Amino acid sequence: DVKVTQSSRYLVKRTGEKVFLECVQDMDHENMFWYRQDPGLGLRLIYFSYDVKMKEKGDIPEGYSVSREKKERFSLILESASTNQTSMYLCASREQGTDGYTFGSGTRLTVV
Amino acid sequence: KNEVEQSPQNLTAQEGEFITINCSYSVGISALHWLQQHPGGGIVSLFMLSSGKKKHGRLIATINIQEKHSSLHITASHPRDSAVYICAVRSGGSQGNLIFGKGTKLSVKP
Repeated sequence: DVKVTQSSRYLVKRTGEKVFLECVQDMDHENMFWYRQDPGLGLRLIYFSYDVKMKEKGDIPEGYSVSREKKERFSLILESASTNQTSMYLCASREQGTDGYTFGSGTRLTVV
Repeated sequence: KNEVEQSPQNLTAQEGEFITINCSYSVGISALHWLQQHPGGGIVSLFMLSSGKKKHGRLIATINIQEKHSSLHITASHPRDSAVYICAVRSGGSQGNLIFGKGTKLSVKP
């Protein structure tokens, strides 16, 4: 069974902390995505990556960065967490040239 | 105006009822996805459509490309169907990303 695994289901961090959200996929997919989901706003794309060491800004990249050093791992980094980054974060992957997405189970981040 | 509109936003049904959730979009697409999200859980892909109709168990998804409209139907609904159902479209082109609707929250009462 193919999987996208997010390392934490729930995280609580303090304002100003550096936060790493990790996502690993076992399908050898080239494309990986980070979204955040907020009530009334739906899912919004933060960053995506077409391949190793490649990254592209999505719709709401401010306050975030990403790292893709290996094909299977895509990390979302909050350099200095703020309370407005409290949200559900979802990772997804997709095989290049296809339309099929696989989603992770989400990380609910609370910044206090 | 949102590029992907879902209706209704919230839906309460009695167990056994036939349920329809609608999705309209305004962009050219290569595929449309129906996704399911249980409370506190991740997202599961139910269907991916580019034309016609697909069926899986009690779930049926249809798409009309000319009218830019899709429907998700649930027959003989059950309380375990309670979840948020999200429509998402992949805009045309190899670099197109998903555009999501805001979701329909379904609650099925026993």
